[in-house]
Amino acid sequence: QLQLQESGPGLVKPSETLSLTCTVSGGSISSSNDYWGWIRQPPGRGLEWIGSMYYSGSTYYNPSLKSRVTISVDTSRNQFSLKLTSVTAADTAFYYCARHGPGIAAAGYAVFDYWGQGSLVTVSS
Amino acid sequence: QLVLTQSPSASASLGASVKLTCTLSSGHSSYAIAWHQQQPEKGPRFLMNLNSDGSHNKGDGIPDRFSGSASGAERYLTISSLQSEDEADYYCQTWGTGIVVFGGGTKLTVL
Repeated sequence: QLQLQESGPGLVKPSETLSLTCTVSGGSISSSNDYWGWIRQPPGRGLEWIGSMYYSGSTYYNPSLKSRVTISVDTSRNQFSLKLTSVTAADTAFYYCARHGPGIAAAGYAVFDYWGQGSLVTVSS
Repeated sequence: QLVLTQSPSASASLGASVKLTCTLSSGHSSYAIAWHQQQPEKGPRFLMNLNSDGSHNKGDGIPDRFSGSASGAERYLTISSLQSEDEADYYCQTWGTGIVVFGGGTKLTVL
């Protein structure tokens, strides 16, 4: 059974960089047709896609966050990571990592079918 | 622009059925979507993917009470024999080249 687990600091200061890691177990992050994404949810609000990546290094970002986001992969550790720069209080949210198919890059679905449990990141001084 | 529109709230009685709607933006009526459930204080859970012809595939362990259907640009999630644990937020999700989009979510109250 595929499992994803987010990890990282729960508190980040304004203007600094938010960094989170997602560890994948029960499967390989290098599996063909598996894409890996980050989604966030401010408390009491809806879901927002941040970006996705393929193990080869291809990345896809939400245009509204693109200038501040970097998603990278460490295949040796079966992990992928999120960095969000210049954070403000508006970036306070639960951050989820999840798996999806190839539909954003090729034919097929891009459905988030496995989700991590989420990690709350608060931006505050 | 690829947009998904959902009603903010819905309600139905215990044991009854409810049909939630997700509407695709103009020009995108052929797109498949996914439905996700988020129970209070929990992370999202994948329910099903749903094609424009109404065919759908559910995630592991999703009860038969959950079904999907489609008509034009609208995608539906029907929950029958409502139970208290069905009280949750329901999100639709779709994708295009280089992008993923979520609807705003529907909060379902079971009366």
